[in-house]
Amino acid sequence: DVKVTQSSRYLVKRTGEKVFLECVQDMDHENMFWYRQDPGLGLRLIYFSYDVKMKEKGDIPEGYSVSREKKERFSLILESASTNQTSMYLCASGRTSYTEAFFGQGTRLTVV
Amino acid sequence: DQQVKQNSPSLSVQEGRISILNCDYTNSMFDYFLWYKKYPAEGPTFLISISSIKDKNEDGRFTVFLNKSAKHLSLHIVPSQPGDSAVYFCAASGLSGGSNYKLTFGKGTLLTVNP
Repeated sequence: DVKVTQSSRYLVKRTGEKVFLECVQDMDHENMFWYRQDPGLGLRLIYFSYDVKMKEKGDIPEGYSVSREKKERFSLILESASTNQTSMYLCASGRTSYTEAFFGQGTRLTVV
Repeated sequence: DQQVKQNSPSLSVQEGRISILNCDYTNSMFDYFLWYKKYPAEGPTFLISISSIKDKNEDGRFTVFLNKSAKHLSLHIVPSQPGDSAVYFCAASGLSGGSNYKLTFGKGTLLTVNP
């Protein structure tokens, strides 16, 4: 069974903290993605990676960075957390960047 | 500019009846379309997809219809069950003319199936 695992289900962080969200997939997929989901806004792409050490900005990259040192692991970094980054963060992986992506269970991040 | 639009934020149907979820897109380069289902506090799960070379794809109770000329697709669920109550996201992408279009999602439609 395919699996995308996010390191935390719930996180509470303080404004200004550096936050790391980790994601691991076991499907040997080339492509990995970070989305955020907000009420009324759907899923918006933050960053994606199409290979180890390769990344591309999505629709809303401001305030975020990513790291992909190994094929199975993709990290999202909030350089200095702000309250407007309170959201549900979803990691996904896929064989290509334009067909089915498989999602993790999500991390609900609250920045106070 | 929203390229994938789900104009109905919510839909309520009776158990056993048909649920029809609609989606419109504006980018004519999209050629692959997907539906995802999401329960609260979980990640989206892939339901069904359709390529632009087809106009219909069926998988059990789920059927997706694509009308390319109208840039419209719909998801039919027959018969609807209470466990189908979730948020449904439409997504579109494509690989056309060398451009690789990543998945673009709509804002979602909350389906409630009443017993």
